[in-house]
This record gives sequence, C-alpha cells and structure tokens, in this order.
Amino acid sequence: GAVVSQHPSWVICKSGTSVKIECRSLDFQATTMFWYRQFPKQSLMLMATSNEGSKATYEQGVEKDKFLINHASLTLSTLTVTSAHPEDSSFYICSAPLRGRGGEQYFGPGTRLTVT
Amino acid sequence: KQEVTQIPAALSVPEGENLVLNCSFTDSAIYNLQWFRQDPGKGLTSLLLIQSSQREQTSGRLNASLDKSSGRSTLYIAASQPGDSATYLCAVSTGTNAGKSTFGDGTTLTVKP
Repeated sequence: GAVVSQHPSWVICKSGTSVKIECRSLDFQATTMFWYRQFPKQSLMLMATSNEGSKATYEQGVEKDKFLINHASLTLSTLTVTSAHPEDSSFYICSAPLRGRGGEQYFGPGTRLTVT
Repeated sequence: KQEVTQIPAALSVPEGENLVLNCSFTDSAIYNLQWFRQDPGKGLTSLLLIQSSQREQTSGRLNASLDKSSGRSTLYIAASQPGDSATYLCAVSTGTNAGKSTFGDGTTLTVKP
C-alpha cells in the first residue's frame, strides 16, 4: 500500500531556533499534502495545505511566517517551525491523498517536537 | 464550517464483545469519510474509507456505514480483541478537496482480556 514517511520522528530544540520536518510519499506522487498538529489528548487540527509548485494555503489562525511550508517536488513537502517556542511543542503529522483511491488519505508516522 | 463529533469519548468492553462507535457531522456535502486508528504516541492507520456515494465498507471484523442525510457514520467492531485497544478517529472531507479533513475528537477504546 501507499506509504508516507516523516523525518525526524522526534526532535528536541531550544527556544528561538528553527526546526525542519520532512514529509515524503514513498511510492506515489502527491501534488497536495496536508500538515496537521495534534496536542496531547486532542484531535488533529489542519494547519495548512501544501501544493507542489505553488504557495501553501494556511488555515485561519496559523501563522504562515512561523510555519514555513515548501513543496519542492511531487514526493516531498517540508514544514519549518521558525523561532520555536515551548507552546509549539506538539505532534506534527502530514498526509497525502491517493487520487486513484478516491482521495484516501495516507498519513505519516508523525514528528514529536519538544521545544525547551 | 464542518463539525465532527464522536460518541462516546471512551469505551471499555470485555474481550469478545461487539461494539459500535459513532461519528456525526454537520455538513452533509462530504467528499468522503475515513476511519482511522491511532495508538498512543503513534501516527494514524487508515481502517476504512467510505466515498460519499457509498453506504458501507467492510474489512475483516470492521464495518463502517454512512448515512449522509442524517450526518452519521458508525464503525462496528465484531468480536473485539485486546489488540483493538486504541483511539479511533473519524475524519470527514468536505466539498471537492480530497484530503482536507475535519477530525472528530476520537473514541478511546479499551478491550479487557
């Protein structure tokens, strides 16, 4: 089946630094990918839609200058958390829909970010 | 704005029982509905996908139904096992943008041996 990977699986960084998270579709092309954030014991909240070759679309309340998204190829999207703060600590998950299967979403394993 | 509600929030059953998890949504103009499983600290595993034109999907001991008119979906788990213990999430894609989903808060299932 379709596989989506994320790297790194977990990262600890100091407040004020930037962290890059990669999302890759391993065996299919994805012109669109989605980035979600999940706080402890809460559900997933869509942050932004990543579009290959064009700008990302951000959900209301998500700072586009803080969460930089780049979709450089049909198999890679990156999320960079800039000037990270402790409140950015969360579980970040990406997904990619498989067009040939009615838009079924395939999710990456997630990245646990802890900002100290 | 689509809102997705899952009931109950938590469920504990003895092994072998059949159970039903509920998902309701406010906007019936959906593209598809997907059920996921999430183990603690892990990502999501897709269980079943129901297109807007379908009424149910089955995979092994799992059966998911969809009633768009009433804005409801159910996930039926037959003969539950301890390995089924996890959080089950319902996600609804609205309109024509496949994948842009709204998630419910999930139902945390515990199956006791």
